[in-house]
Amino acid sequence: DTAVSQTPKYLVTQMGNDKSIKCEQNLGHDTMYWYKQDSKKFLKIMFSYNNKELIINETVPNRFSPKSPDKAHLNLHINSLELGDSAVYFCASSPGRLSEQYFGPGTRLTVT
Amino acid sequence: QKEVEQDPGPLSVPEGAIVSLNCTYSNSAFQYFMWYRQYSRKGPELLMYTYSSGNKEDGRFTAQVDKSSKYISLFIRDSQPSDSATYLCAMRPTNAGKSTFGDGTTLTVKP
Repeated sequence: DTAVSQTPKYLVTQMGNDKSIKCEQNLGHDTMYWYKQDSKKFLKIMFSYNNKELIINETVPNRFSPKSPDKAHLNLHINSLELGDSAVYFCASSPGRLSEQYFGPGTRLTVT
Repeated sequence: QKEVEQDPGPLSVPEGAIVSLNCTYSNSAFQYFMWYRQYSRKGPELLMYTYSSGNKEDGRFTAQVDKSSKYISLFIRDSQPSDSATYLCAMRPTNAGKSTFGDGTTLTVKP
């Protein structure tokens, strides 16, 4: 059983396009996150939602918009994609705001 | 200066060796400390989760936290080729859900 799942696994698109990445967790966790991992493996938090409420919003361009339709889902929509958006995006979830996090398999985004 | 510093390696050891992975940090508010293992093209997988100072052991893995020195370590005993991965340390204060990650250390265990 997949605990935290993301779709798609790979995404190749051109500059200027709009794309979405979906995340679902079946762990019953209250908190979900989006992270960006660059080519140097540095993992940086972008957003966090707790019970569908945005609680962490790091300095991320407003082209990135997270949406949490319910506790089990946190989607990431990206407008006007740029070359620098190429990275691996990880979704994660945790039982609470102060708990350890469980990561999804990642979505490898390539912007050409 | 980064809040969390981690030697990126790469670190290469023979099978059976004891591996020591380390992170230092500057924020004295960090209270929770985690180690993640990330295989190539996979998501990080939680290995150890500790609170405040002290040791925690789980099988071949031991996590140590020394808050006075702002230094944490992960020891792997009897290392196996399957331990070859990137190891990320992460930490956060008690009053925030945001974890700060190290850059990761790439480990290769050679048979």
